[in-house]
Amino acid sequence: SQQGEEDPQALSIQEGENATMNCSYKTSINNLQWYRQNSGRGLVHLILIRSNEREKHSGRLRVTLDTSKKSSSLLITASRAADTASYFCATDTFSFTGGGNKLTFGTGTQLKVEL
Amino acid sequence: DSGVTQTPKHLITATGQRVTLRCSPRSGDLSVYWYQQSLDQGLQFLIQYYNGEERAKGNILERFSAQQFPDLHSELNLSSLELGDSALYFCASSPSTAVEAFFGQGTRLTVV
Repeated sequence: SQQGEEDPQALSIQEGENATMNCSYKTSINNLQWYRQNSGRGLVHLILIRSNEREKHSGRLRVTLDTSKKSSSLLITASRAADTASYFCATDTFSFTGGGNKLTFGTGTQLKVEL
Repeated sequence: DSGVTQTPKHLITATGQRVTLRCSPRSGDLSVYWYQQSLDQGLQFLIQYYNGEERAKGNILERFSAQQFPDLHSELNLSSLELGDSALYFCASSPSTAVEAFFGQGTRLTVV
């Protein structure tokens, strides 16, 4: 089952524009993470925001977290063609059965940045 | 390069067979996660191990099993394979829990 649902499913923009992706989730989280995946390759971690944080920046990335609405957004500013990829949010939740954690991924947003 | 190594990269096998996928985590990482990615199911969490012990379980079928060895490498065993098991299988590792995970390049399994 998917914990997170991303919106939009696909996004096409011009180089230099900003891209915003949204993620909604269902249960309480330890943290929320964003990952990027280039076609058929491994996922690359972009940024982690803890449940007690509201906003975080890393280079051209800005992430917000609203735990009351169970939602997060990823903003990529001044996009480049090289940003073309799928972007996933992942919620880190505590596993009561084993004491570990589950990192559960959303459905992803396919971003295409055109020249 | 994430530092997580998965072998083999590609695997083609017949229905009913059994395969073993191997994952070497980043040096020093104690936690290993396994995921299945298919077009219709997306990226599904299968199981997590931490320092040799199973710590969290997701949508892992009974035909699938995993373990983490004392040297911290992990194996995912898939048996009685069905056509629907065809997917990309990813391993990820992290130094502990509730921190970022580093993904391998995946094993592409094709069941024919």
